[in-house]
Amino acid sequence: DARVTQTPRHKVTEMGQEVTMRCQPILGHNTVFWYRQTMMQGLELLAYFRNRAPLDDSGMPKDRFSAEMPDATLATLKIQPSEPRDSAVYFCASGLVLTLQSSGANVLTFGAGSRLTVL
Amino acid sequence: AQTVTQSQPEMSVQEAETVTLSCTYDTSENNYYLFWYKQPPSRQMILVIRQEAYKQQNATENRFSVNFQKAAKSFSLKISDSQLGDTAMYFCAFMNPIKAAGNKLTFGGGTRVLVKP
Repeated sequence: DARVTQTPRHKVTEMGQEVTMRCQPILGHNTVFWYRQTMMQGLELLAYFRNRAPLDDSGMPKDRFSAEMPDATLATLKIQPSEPRDSAVYFCASGLVLTLQSSGANVLTFGAGSRLTVL
Repeated sequence: AQTVTQSQPEMSVQEAETVTLSCTYDTSENNYYLFWYKQPPSRQMILVIRQEAYKQQNATENRFSVNFQKAAKSFSLKISDSQLGDTAMYFCAFMNPIKAAGNKLTFGGGTRVLVKP
């Protein structure tokens, strides 16, 4: 089965440090999402890309977060500087999102998530 | 903006019995997709079932089935013959694939399901 691969699985860092999370989407998928999951806020959309172009990053704190997709096989989410309130599980998901009604499309596959703890 | 509401924070069910999780959503769109995702303690998000709004027939996947009521904007999940491995958090989600800038998955708050032996 094709998988979305995220690294690292776990990261513990100190406040002020830079954190970079990486995601390898499924080959052929045209859309990549970054979600953050916390107990208080649930699943929040941070940013997403269509054909590598950023479509919406309104859910992301702009002063410290940045998301990029340097090529079709890699998406990154960077936090600089990190703060304790950034502690969460960060999920990457990819999918083939089409406007046409297609049986294989419009389903997102999630990575296993990156658990970040900022001390 | 679309919103998804899961009114049951937690439910428990005896093994082999049936449990139904509720989900309501709000949208002005006519064509969209609805999903149920399962998140076990491993935290992996696993797709359980998908429903296209243009299809009147309710989707089924083995022991999982939905009751999709488009007019009422309701999308409940029924788990039949519950198994211990069904213990997980379940998320209802909405996607509108037509809107150019809005093809994102919007999640409900989740329902924690505990299957008891």
